[in-house]
Amino acid sequence: DTAVSQTPKYLVTQMGNDKSIKCEQNLGHDTMYWYKQDSKKFLKIMFSYNNKELIINETVPNRFSPKSPDKAHLNLHINSLELGDSAVYFCASSQPLPTDTQYFGPGTRLTVL
Amino acid sequence: GNSVTQMEGPVTLSEEAFLTINCTYTATGYPSLFWYVQYPGEGLQLLLKATKADDKGSNKGFEATYRKETTSFHLEKGSVQVSDSAVYFCALSQRASGSRLTFGEGTQLTVNP
Repeated sequence: DTAVSQTPKYLVTQMGNDKSIKCEQNLGHDTMYWYKQDSKKFLKIMFSYNNKELIINETVPNRFSPKSPDKAHLNLHINSLELGDSAVYFCASSQPLPTDTQYFGPGTRLTVL
Repeated sequence: GNSVTQMEGPVTLSEEAFLTINCTYTATGYPSLFWYVQYPGEGLQLLLKATKADDKGSNKGFEATYRKETTSFHLEKGSVQVSDSAVYFCALSQRASGSRLTFGEGTQLTVNP
């Protein structure tokens, strides 16, 4: 029944490691997003895909690489993790019509030690 | 570019008090406006939305009216409950910007019994 799901919920890892976060939506939406929430709770867009095509790529280090194998999935791979990558990462999905409302996953809390 | 400004928090109220959280925005054209709520340890949930000027969004006793003339979307509730304690985010989106959500800083609300 979960509309937007993410795995894992918590991720603790060492600096320099490579990790992935997975996102799946069962809402039939065409557009998916990744947002980053920093320690002060500020939320900022990272990427967006529409029907597997990248449409938003904010100023994000190229260590971050999104991948969308199909329109229901949008994964985030992070290479060479740094301390500053510690944050909560949220996946979201939406359908442009009628109202562009975005639905969020529960978040993945990444801690880099 | 687009931006959203929320009143600074945190906000602490007693149960049954009246709540206002101010939100103003900067955008060209007519963005869609949203309030999202984040309960402790959880993801973001859509609270209410408005897609055109003078629309009023409402949900769970919360209301906000899209005011084009003052570029505002203030959140109100007549009588808050302890269970309303959460972080509230004002946000906007526009299709011209890939429908990304631009968030305000978030306002932490604590309601005491």
